[in-house]
Amino acid sequence: AQKVTQAQTEISVVEKEDVTLDCVYETRDTTYYLFWYKQPPSGELVFLIRRNSFDEQNEISGRYSWNFQKSTSSFNFTITASQVVDSAVYFCALSEALGGTSYGKLTFGQGTILTVHP
Amino acid sequence: DGGITQSPKYLFRKEGQNVTLSCEQNLNHDAMYWYRQDPGQGLRLIYYSQIVNDFQKGDIAEGYSVSREKKESFPLTVTSAQKNPTAFYLCASSIRQGAYQPQHFGDGTRLSIL
Repeated sequence: AQKVTQAQTEISVVEKEDVTLDCVYETRDTTYYLFWYKQPPSGELVFLIRRNSFDEQNEISGRYSWNFQKSTSSFNFTITASQVVDSAVYFCALSEALGGTSYGKLTFGQGTILTVHP
Repeated sequence: DGGITQSPKYLFRKEGQNVTLSCEQNLNHDAMYWYRQDPGQGLRLIYYSQIVNDFQKGDIAEGYSVSREKKESFPLTVTSAQKNPTAFYLCASSIRQGAYQPQHFGDGTRLSIL
């Protein structure tokens, strides 16, 4: 069965610090997709990034970067020079392509609450 | 602007009562989903629908029911059989069903017991 673990329940930093959110996953499938979502206080989840299991290239988008390592089953997320607006709950999620009949089921981690203080 | 609208934002349920949560999307997405979020936990899938007039149970469907009579709408009913309904409910949609499709979310309905 698939599983996603975000071991950090809460992280608190001061503005301009860099912060890394950890995500470790388990799956028996060879084809899968990993996602990061942000949940601000307003409640809706905002899609940030998708990675497929064949593409281990790290990605940078502005202050955000993602480090996907298949060898350690990790998909970590780093925010550089954090800002107060980055305060939110961040979820890592996994979706398996099971025998070509995938139905888009997302398995979520428990979430990491990030608080950035001014 | 295209998006997903959930209503109401807050809902209270009396003992033995069924309540219905609304979810409407104007993104022209085929697939829609309902999730439940409890404090300190990730989201858990209740029901999903690939297409109009079709829906499937997710991981925690007991005590819930859905319908998909229109592409834009996927209402969720929390029945009296759901003994612990207090939670935050999120509706999502994707262009079509598939492991690679990112899901887009509404801003949720918070349900509490009176």
